[in-house]
Amino acid sequence: GAGVSQSPRYKVAKRGQDVALRCDPISGHVSLFWYQQALGQGPEFLTYFQNEAQLDKSGLPSDRFFAERPEGSVSTLKIQRTQQEDSAVYLCASSWGLATYEQYFGPGTRLTVT
Amino acid sequence: AQSVTQLDSQVPVFEEAPVELRCNYSSSVSVYLFWYVQYPNQGLQLLLKYLSGSTLVKGINGFEAEFNKSQTSFHLRKPSVHISDTAEYFCAVSPNAGGTSYGKLTFGQGTILTVHP
Repeated sequence: GAGVSQSPRYKVAKRGQDVALRCDPISGHVSLFWYQQALGQGPEFLTYFQNEAQLDKSGLPSDRFFAERPEGSVSTLKIQRTQQEDSAVYLCASSWGLATYEQYFGPGTRLTVT
Repeated sequence: AQSVTQLDSQVPVFEEAPVELRCNYSSSVSVYLFWYVQYPNQGLQLLLKYLSGSTLVKGINGFEAEFNKSQTSFHLRKPSVHISDTAEYFCAVSPNAGGTSYGKLTFGQGTILTVHP
């Protein structure tokens, strides 16, 4: 159907709260990526799924960050005990498969931790 | 590991003038190269990509880029810009591991292109 969608678009959390960010990829896309984009910076890789398998989580900044994609479609990025340094735009992207395929990006979720 | 450097954080230019946005990369393995554009409040959109073959690649909206392996550069160019080209542009690379690479992107810090009338 349509492109990659993310919800919520904006989230304000008090420091210490848990948050959950949702990504709906393009139907049929095998690969799903999460990136973190701090203000004034380029996106930075967080984690990668191929179907339901999380094959690379090397970019997750701490064990407070957790991602899942249980049925190989929708993915959720969860951040526990949010800190001010977690404030950023979280981008989700999906693609048909390997590196030669275009990654389609969602509009992002802007997280502000106060 | 890979790294990407975009040499200009902001580029102002007048409408119908040519523009070049510079990108250099560092990598211990072969890479694929990409340029993405981000309009305000929108997601990143692919402009063009270099996978193999001709080092001059053409993309959408009249943009093109040239891969220079010896200088490890992938500069983006457009001969005549429009007001609507005002946006932030990101250069990115991903490892080329002979077909097994899944496409983890490493981005530069972005270049804000502002086109003035």
